[in-house]
Amino acid sequence: GENVEQHPSTLSVQEGDSAVIKCTYSDSASNYFPWYKQELGKRPQLIIDIRSNVGEKKDQRIAVTLNKTAKHFSLHITETQPEDSAVYFCAASRSFQKLVFGTGTRLLVSP
Amino acid sequence: AAGVIQSPRHLIKEKRETATLKCYPIPRHDTVYWYQQGPGQDPQFLISFYEKMQSDKGSIPDRFSAQQFSDYHSELNMSSLELGDSALYFCASSFEGLGSGANVLTFGAGSRLTVL
Repeated sequence: GENVEQHPSTLSVQEGDSAVIKCTYSDSASNYFPWYKQELGKRPQLIIDIRSNVGEKKDQRIAVTLNKTAKHFSLHITETQPEDSAVYFCAASRSFQKLVFGTGTRLLVSP
Repeated sequence: AAGVIQSPRHLIKEKRETATLKCYPIPRHDTVYWYQQGPGQDPQFLISFYEKMQSDKGSIPDRFSAQQFSDYHSELNMSSLELGDSALYFCASSFEGLGSGANVLTFGAGSRLTVL
């Protein structure tokens, strides 16, 4: 089955800096890669996703890149703000199947 | 816009008791997923249903069962509760199809189960 690894487990940055979180996946048939932001005790909220026919996608300060050959994808947050502080999960799935989550990255943005 | 509705939001049970969690998916979503998230852990997939049939099964204990009803709501039944079952239980829903919204999981607010 699919296995998703995520690094780093914690990331501390200063406000205004960029943050990068990386994930690798094992199942070459996976074709959907979302990123979720989760605040303590709250639900995971989708922030951006990418499908395997696209190499990069951007939404304002957030971007995701996908390298299918190497089976890794990354989340890039620019101009970080304190409200970006949360746990971020990457995930992978085959078409219309369950998401397999990475182990999460706790991002702390200091003012 | 309508979201995924879960109930109850909080539940406290004793060991060996039973609990039932309910999930109402977004209207016209045909797939429901159940996830369990322990403290500091990533969400672990338990089970999913597509058009009222079980479509996939993950790390769901034999003490747990689930089903999806004709109105597409789903229930997760947990029996012989153990301390380790204390967790946040999330339901998510999605729809199959073409287009940018297909296969996008939307999560409910979760049900926090505490087993004493």
